[in-house]
Amino acid sequence: NAGVTQTPKFRILKIGQSMTLQCAQDMNHNYMYWYRQDPGMGLKLIYYSVGAGITDKGEVPNGYNVSRSTTEDFPLRLELAAPSQTSVYFCASRWGSPVDTQYFGPGTRLTVL
Amino acid sequence: GENVEQHPSTLSVQEGDSAVIKCTYSDSASNYFPWYKQELGKGPQLIIDIRSNVGEKKDQRIAVTLNKTAKHFSLHITETQPEDSAVYFCAASTGYSTLTFGKGTMLLVSP
Repeated sequence: NAGVTQTPKFRILKIGQSMTLQCAQDMNHNYMYWYRQDPGMGLKLIYYSVGAGITDKGEVPNGYNVSRSTTEDFPLRLELAAPSQTSVYFCASRWGSPVDTQYFGPGTRLTVL
Repeated sequence: GENVEQHPSTLSVQEGDSAVIKCTYSDSASNYFPWYKQELGKGPQLIIDIRSNVGEKKDQRIAVTLNKTAKHFSLHITETQPEDSAVYFCAASTGYSTLTFGKGTMLLVSP
């Protein structure tokens, strides 16, 4: 299994541009998550999904959108990028139980200039 | 919602010493407490977890303790090695879907 994969690894955007961060998992996990990680601030939940077609907001959803059309994929869309969205973005997934392990992808480092 | 506080933010130890990282949580309904290790340039990886019906759990050199009354839990690493150097995150879960993470502790183990 490849686990959780994310593309791209790095990206530089100009203010106002849009992009989609890709996330895929091959473990048939029901739950998928998007976090952002800023220095000294831990991991903040942006959006999550409990299954295909079902998404919900996390702690910091403003400026982002998600969709979950398949079990495997959970893309994160940034519209009108702002410098405040400069961060490292992690996708994660888990099976179904609340005590199941969350598996994280390698991250996408995004810079908005 | 849940709030998780983690201390210290940085911790420097000599190889072979023990390291302790502490977390407190606010929601008494929290029932699951995982710890993640993040190496430079990688995603976090689960190293140990504990459920609310257990007071202590060990796995080789690492252990976690939970005090439900005081609403705090701790990670203990014994006989530290340079490869233990990383950022460690605690987290707490109350509901079925999400985790709330602490801000992380950077552990530096000097040879």
